[in-house]
Amino acid sequence: QSALTQPASVSGSPGQSITISCTGTSSDVGRYDRVSWYQQHQGKAPKLLIYEVDKRPSGVSDRFSGFQSGNTASLIISGLQTEDEADYYCCSYAGSYVFGTGTTVTVL
Amino acid sequence: QVQLQESGPGLVKPSGTLSLTCAVSGASISRDDWWSWVRQSPGKGLEWIGEMQDSGSNHYNPSLKSRVTISVDRSRNQVSLEVKSVTAADTAMYYCARNGDWNPAADWGQGTLVTVSS
Repeated sequence: QSALTQPASVSGSPGQSITISCTGTSSDVGRYDRVSWYQQHQGKAPKLLIYEVDKRPSGVSDRFSGFQSGNTASLIISGLQTEDEADYYCCSYAGSYVFGTGTTVTVL
Repeated sequence: QVQLQESGPGLVKPSGTLSLTCAVSGASISRDDWWSWVRQSPGKGLEWIGEMQDSGSNHYNPSLKSRVTISVDRSRNQVSLEVKSVTAADTAMYYCARNGDWNPAADWGQGTLVTVSS
């Protein structure tokens, strides 16, 4: 059960859109439409942003969206804001759960 | 809104057992709820430890399965974690979480830091 692969860092300017990829295999991401995304600010507990690929929990901004194609899931942050500076993790169900390697988002 | 609060020793000796409790407030533990533990080593990413349901069903991270036990106590409204034979590699922030729809953590505790050192 290897960690899902994410880019180490992604950056963008305020107002721009950025995409964070999450690559797994046909045994996890590609097999189950059960990818979730978490946001973690420095020193804080993570927060659920997206579940089941593209569903948002109540209270999560619609600037966050998700989609999946084959073995790769993606999180899109549109209208980037300074408060979006954080670490982001994907997670896939695979019989058990496996997290991604994490991506640090920097707002330039 | 459910609130989760982890507690337990902040320091555990190598080869010892790490034991943590997660107090659940704001809601009673349901027989159908799944509860997970997630950890994060200093400066590292998230690692799913395992999940448990009050019915007794459970799933563990294969890399930790031989050393980990998660339990749910509805009478005390709490969830527990035990990790045996710890080493320095088990030093981490440990989070308790309530599972959501096909995800291991819709609700998170604030976490508790456990250091393994003599």
